[in-house]
Amino acid sequence: DVKVTQSSRYLVKRTGEKVFLECVQDMDHENMFWYRQDPGLGLRLIYFSYDVKMKEKGDIPEGYSVSREKKERFSLILESASTNQTSMYLCASGRWAEAFFGQGTRLTVV
Amino acid sequence: QQQVKQSPQSLIVQKGGISIINCAYENTAFDYFPWYQQFPGKGPALLIAIRPDVSEKKEGRFTISFNKSAKQFSLHIMDSQPGDSATYFCAASTDKLIFGTGTRLQVFP
Repeated sequence: DVKVTQSSRYLVKRTGEKVFLECVQDMDHENMFWYRQDPGLGLRLIYFSYDVKMKEKGDIPEGYSVSREKKERFSLILESASTNQTSMYLCASGRWAEAFFGQGTRLTVV
Repeated sequence: QQQVKQSPQSLIVQKGGISIINCAYENTAFDYFPWYQQFPGKGPALLIAIRPDVSEKKEGRFTISFNKSAKQFSLHIMDSQPGDSATYFCAASTDKLIFGTGTRLQVFP
């Protein structure tokens, strides 16, 4: 089975902190994605990567950056966390239309 | 910019009934239409998908109906079960995947 593992299920961070969300996949996928899920808004793409050290902005990249130093690992970075970044964050890997998702990280910024 | 509109936002169905979730899109370049199912505490998982050259696809109790001229597609869950209670997302894809806003389905015994 494909496995996409996110390092934390729940995180609570303070405003202004630098936050790292980690994601690891075990299927040797080229593509990896970070989405944000909010009620009534569905899933929105933050960033994606199609290869090591390659990254592309998604629909809502402001306030975020990413890092992909190894093929299996894709990190999302909140440079200075703000309360409007309180959300569920979902990592995925695979093809665009048939991606495999991790279990999500619920981030609360206080 | 919402390119895939999904309704209803929530749906309550009795066990054994039919659940119907509708989606509409604007971009005629979309060439693949998947549905994802998400249980509480889990990430979304691909449930069923269709391409626009097909009007219907059925997998077990789940059926996608696709109307290309109306730019609409829908998910039908026949004989709905409490275990089907989840949030369902429609999506549309070209070079990216655009998700609908989700439908929370509750199936009561």
